[in-house]
Amino acid sequence: SQKIEQNSEALNIQEGKTATLTCNYTNYSPAYLQWYRQDPGRGPVFLLLIRENEKEKRKERLKVTFDTTLKQSLFHITASQPADSATYLCALQSASKIIFGSGTRLSIRP
Amino acid sequence: ETGVTQTPRHLVMGMTNKKSLKCEQHLGHNAMYWYKQSAKKPLELMFVYSLEERVENNSVPSRFSPECPNSSHLFLHLHTLQPEDSALYLCASSQVNGGTPSTDTQYFGPGTRLTVL
Repeated sequence: SQKIEQNSEALNIQEGKTATLTCNYTNYSPAYLQWYRQDPGRGPVFLLLIRENEKEKRKERLKVTFDTTLKQSLFHITASQPADSATYLCALQSASKIIFGSGTRLSIRP
Repeated sequence: ETGVTQTPRHLVMGMTNKKSLKCEQHLGHNAMYWYKQSAKKPLELMFVYSLEERVENNSVPSRFSPECPNSSHLFLHLHTLQPEDSALYLCASSQVNGGTPSTDTQYFGPGTRLTVL
């Protein structure tokens, strides 16, 4: 069956360091991969989309990579700040289906 | 008001009650979605409407009944729910350009926190 896993339920890092979150999938051939941010009591907010023929996408301090051979996406936040603390969700999309990971709760300590 | 709004934000209901969740999108999108989010579980896609027609129904129990009267409004009618239906219910919208739904960036509302006693 199709499965999507985000590397850990929670990740704690020091302010200023680079946070790296992992999204792995099996039995799926996505056309797109998206990353969302979700704060407590709020709906997810779209951050970045990367297509299957793209290796990397950047937006300000965010960088996403997509390796269809490894079936993996990495999400990086450079120069992390306490305001980056949130849950980050990856989502895989094909032409007819979208599935979300369960998320990684990221905490940036001052 | 902008974006995607949902009402109510919180709802407590008994198993014999009937209630409805409302979602409105102010983005001019042509597709709307209902998701269920339970603690420590992935978002579960429940229903998809594209151009006001239901195009996806992911084996959701019949005690959940969606309604999409126009492209800006989406309802989820609830009746005889179970305690395990307690969760955050999220509405989302997107603009589908020539493809099927679920291929475009989704804009989520704040959700309705539902508790079934």
